Amino acid sequence: DAKTTQPPSMDCAEGRAANLPCNHSTISGNEYVYWYRQIHSQGPQYIIHGLKNNETNEMASLIITEDRKSSTLILPHATLRDTAVYYCIVSSLIRLEVGKLIFGQGTELSVKP
Amino acid sequence: DVKVTQSSRYLVKRTGEKVFLECVQDMDHENMFWYRQDPGLGLRLIYFSYDVKMKEKGDIPEGYSVSREKKERFSLILESASTNQTSMYLCASSSGQGARHYGYTFGSGTRLTVV
Repeated sequence: DAKTTQPPSMDCAEGRAANLPCNHSTISGNEYVYWYRQIHSQGPQYIIHGLKNNETNEMASLIITEDRKSSTLILPHATLRDTAVYYCIVSSLIRLEVGKLIFGQGTELSVKP
Repeated sequence: DVKVTQSSRYLVKRTGEKVFLECVQDMDHENMFWYRQDPGLGLRLIYFSYDVKMKEKGDIPEGYSVSREKKERFSLILESASTNQTSMYLCASSSGQGARHYGYTFGSGTRLTVV
């Protein structure tokens, strides 16, 4: 799996957009970008994933650069409940389907009132 | 709306005890996984199963076994608990090739302390 680099922590004001960056400069052509988050003392929660096109769902948007070497997760209107550690994961589907989910250090997002 | 349920949130066991961690999913998923999560070490795969009665070793299977007698239930067994098995244990499931579309669904975790 390609290595990912994320800032260790970020702050965001409640109601504002939270933009969480991830660098994955060694990503291979068959690797997807996945985002999960983990609220303290709970299990991880899947957010969104993409290959090369930008993606949006009810939780977030994922912007992947054209060269696929970096991506940004956008929470459009952050709430206090979005305070969590956010993990960017790069993996091939074959590895993903056999449980190879490699969590790095992640970004600890603090949403403040 | 709970989809993956782990039987206990917190568990304290004594060294040498046999420990059972239960996981049940109600999404009719084929694949189920057991991980442990430790500070600084991230998520490590212990075992996974892609069908009833099928199991595959993950990266750290030593000291653990699993059982999948029914599609919805995947049990992790610590044959003889040791203090280095103190950890957060996470169960997850995915639908066949669904991981590529919907990711994994995780349970809330069981924090096991072995004393």
